[in-house]
Amino acid sequence: DSGVTQTPKHLITATGQRVTLRCSPRSGDLSVYWYQQSLDQGLQFLIQYYNGEERAKGNILERFSAQQFPDLHSELNLSSLELGDSALYFCASSAAGGPNTEAFFGQGTRLTVV
Amino acid sequence: QQQVKQSPQSLIVQKGGISIINCAYENTAFDYFPWYQQFPGKGPALLIAIRPDVSEKKEGRFTISFNKSAKQFSLHIMDSQPGDSATYFCAARGWGAQKLVFGQGTRLTINP
Repeated sequence: DSGVTQTPKHLITATGQRVTLRCSPRSGDLSVYWYQQSLDQGLQFLIQYYNGEERAKGNILERFSAQQFPDLHSELNLSSLELGDSALYFCASSAAGGPNTEAFFGQGTRLTVV
Repeated sequence: QQQVKQSPQSLIVQKGGISIINCAYENTAFDYFPWYQQFPGKGPALLIAIRPDVSEKKEGRFTISFNKSAKQFSLHIMDSQPGDSATYFCAARGWGAQKLVFGQGTRLTINP
């Protein structure tokens, strides 16, 4: 158990809908990262938050947004869903700073858009 | 320049054999190279990591070999066991950056 909790584990929704994925980082970790894992694209970095502030952005679609709350949990919002958004979405967390900071991954949310 | 290329995509090894997975990168700003192991239904878990100031790091049956001049690094699993069957990802991270750039993954199967 990595200590990173993601809910829900599975989500099935229709095209055009909006969903929210939730992540609770390991106790004490200030950084939260979101990754998308699909069969053809591998693990792709979406966005990072550090202590409530956006720190880095990857290939995140404009239909997607995220935020990190004062209690450090994070939510990834996906809207106007398309079939191609079906993927595993992983959250990871790490402690503040340091070049050797290890990222711990949650078990992921499997999103299926039908 | 942000890519990490991983090969092979899939690998079948007999129990007791050596599994070798290779990765190559372009960005010379990368300075941290971890390997992650992922079992079905689970998230990636850090297996072993290396920094470019050393050429090899060994932890138990797992060894990373690093060739800075060739911009390549590899994972060797000695005495491979059926329990090692999983998907392995190499990754890289630049100094000061926190995000990881992942390879495409290698599905490893160890036959008993």
